[in-house]
Amino acid sequence: GNSVTQMEGPVTLSEEAFLTINCTYTATGYPSLFWYVQYPGEGLQLLLKATKADDKGSNKGFEATYRKETTSFHLEKGSVQVSDSAVYFCALSGPPWDFGNEKLTFGTGTRLTIIP
Amino acid sequence: DAGVIQSPRHEVTEMGQEVTLRCKPISGHDYLFWYRQTMMRGLELLIYFNNNVPIDDSGMPEDRFSAKMPNASFSTLKIQPSEPRDSAVYFCASSWVQRWEQGLAKNIQYFGAGTRLSVL
Repeated sequence: GNSVTQMEGPVTLSEEAFLTINCTYTATGYPSLFWYVQYPGEGLQLLLKATKADDKGSNKGFEATYRKETTSFHLEKGSVQVSDSAVYFCALSGPPWDFGNEKLTFGTGTRLTIIP
Repeated sequence: DAGVIQSPRHEVTEMGQEVTLRCKPISGHDYLFWYRQTMMRGLELLIYFNNNVPIDDSGMPEDRFSAKMPNASFSTLKIQPSEPRDSAVYFCASSWVQRWEQGLAKNIQYFGAGTRLSVL
């Protein structure tokens, strides 16, 4: 079945540091890949997505590239801010043309804390 | 749109009591999901609906849990009787599938703020 493995947390960085959160997946076929973010006391919200190999999703300075050869979708940001402190979830779904399946498979989440 | 609305935000109850959590999805969305989040197990999908019909309830822990969606704008998750191990944050999410010339909206789930349940 489908699965997502995320980098273990928590991760603590200083402001303006470079961020990488690793995510690898196991799936058959051509899944779509997502990063969701959960700020304290809130529900998850979509951060970025990619639906085919070599696609790069980007939003709010975050980027992730869909690497089919390494089955990875690592999240990166060049210079983090205190406001980026949150829990980040990698997720996958079926391919874009699989209209019968709206389920997401989530990783365990990585807690990120940015120190001023 | 106001987003996915969950109520109550916090619920404290005693073991053995019935608990009902409520969710109003985003108007026009035809998928609704119930999740449970704990430190030990992370985020677990309990059940999801499409057009008010339950599609997959394999994540529902046991018979004490039940979920209904009587119409497109309302769903409930009920626990009866509640136990301390049910203490968690319960999230509702909704999504829709829409195709348009510029792209495809699919598998993008919008989450409510959650209900924090404490069973004493």
